[in-house]
Amino acid sequence: DQQVKQNSPSLSVQEGRISILNCDYTNSMFDYFLWYKKYPAEGPTFLISISSIKDKNEDGRFTVFLNKSAKHLSLHIVPSQPGDSAVYFCAASAVGSDDKIIFGKGTRLHILP
Amino acid sequence: EAQVTQNPRYLITVTGKKLTVTCSQNMNHEYMSWYRQDPGLGLRQIYYSMNVEVTDKGDVPEGYKVSRKEKRNFPLILESPSPNQTSLYFCASSFTRLAASTDTQYFGPGTRLTVL
Repeated sequence: DQQVKQNSPSLSVQEGRISILNCDYTNSMFDYFLWYKKYPAEGPTFLISISSIKDKNEDGRFTVFLNKSAKHLSLHIVPSQPGDSAVYFCAASAVGSDDKIIFGKGTRLHILP
Repeated sequence: EAQVTQNPRYLITVTGKKLTVTCSQNMNHEYMSWYRQDPGLGLRQIYYSMNVEVTDKGDVPEGYKVSRKEKRNFPLILESPSPNQTSLYFCASSFTRLAASTDTQYFGPGTRLTVL
């Protein structure tokens, strides 16, 4: 059973526009959520995280929103740039439980010129 | 430069031939782990280590072994590889398991393994 779901395998967005990547989770014990970015032939790199006590965390062009009642989070990239083209992984963990991190399948983002 | 290195980056082998993928980090991290990435399945944890001589199974440990004799190294061992272990493997490290769960893990560049 997939506990962290990224239902869009790919997404194309015009350069300069907003990119919105979505992630749903099923386990209500998750209390930390992370986004990783991965370029081809490289390992994932950490992008941004959010604790379940918050509903928003912002870092430059990247903002993550958390809706606990809907068990949904989203990553907003504004404005989108060509270098944002990558695969984005959503991940969740239950700190204080077993700290296990569960990754989603990833969404490939294409930024169009 | 802070980094996680893996070797080899690419490997083609045959069923049953033992192999080791090395992983090394230079950040004095206590926590290290191995993941595999397969199409449509995302990243799944194979094994992790909380510190020297402390290792534990992740979600998909079958067919793999690990060791943690030194803090910086965490090799992944396939005693008898099979075709279903064809995958992209990532080693990762962080200061603690808690840090990995709440902040960041540093990933290596990946090892693409093909078992014929």
